[in-house]
Amino acid sequence: GQQLNQSPQSMFIQEGEDVSMNCTSSSIFNTWLWYKQDPGEGPVLLIALYKAGELTSNGRLTAQFGITRKDSFLNISASIPSDVGIYFCAGQFTDKLIFGTGTRLQVFP
Amino acid sequence: DGGITQSPKYLFRKEGQNVTLSCEQNLNHDAMYWYRQDPGQGLRLIYYSQIVNDFQKGDIAEGYSVSREKKESFPLTVTSAQKNPTAFYLCASSHRYEQYFGPGTRLTVT
Repeated sequence: GQQLNQSPQSMFIQEGEDVSMNCTSSSIFNTWLWYKQDPGEGPVLLIALYKAGELTSNGRLTAQFGITRKDSFLNISASIPSDVGIYFCAGQFTDKLIFGTGTRLQVFP
Repeated sequence: DGGITQSPKYLFRKEGQNVTLSCEQNLNHDAMYWYRQDPGQGLRLIYYSQIVNDFQKGDIAEGYSVSREKKESFPLTVTSAQKNPTAFYLCASSHRYEQYFGPGTRLTVT
């Protein structure tokens, strides 16, 4: 099945730093979604993007729908310990979502 | 409280046994999905259903079966034909393309 290329694979940062991650595809998507998963739990939806070029914020999180419709970016500002987890992007393909491989974020105090 | 419930959280079975994982939602969503997640991996789609009494195979349907008799419920059966059933199983339902996930069931088969 298809998968999105998500990078970086993992990040180790200090509390207070900003974080950037991205997702790229060879296919065009009409919707991009970003999720966060804590260990042993289901992913939680953070941000949904529906329009090319769209920039949407949710608290310290900001995500953008790339203008080519083949990529998306997620930024986290002023990271805190509870930001630890795995972040997944997902793109809508026909009636399904295609998920990225995830970015594992570790935040050190 | 609206949401998706999966039970049980942990499930242990012997090889050769079929096992059914429960998924219930009270969000009034039409579409429901089952995913499998292996350690350090992303989510792979097993089956999905857009409407009651209809469902489609995802990318890794072999060894699994589903039913959708009620809008609220989408149980997944892991059959003895599934070669590597030990995994974390996630159920989701969706409004538009926004999928909302349950807490997951960790299945261990020995």
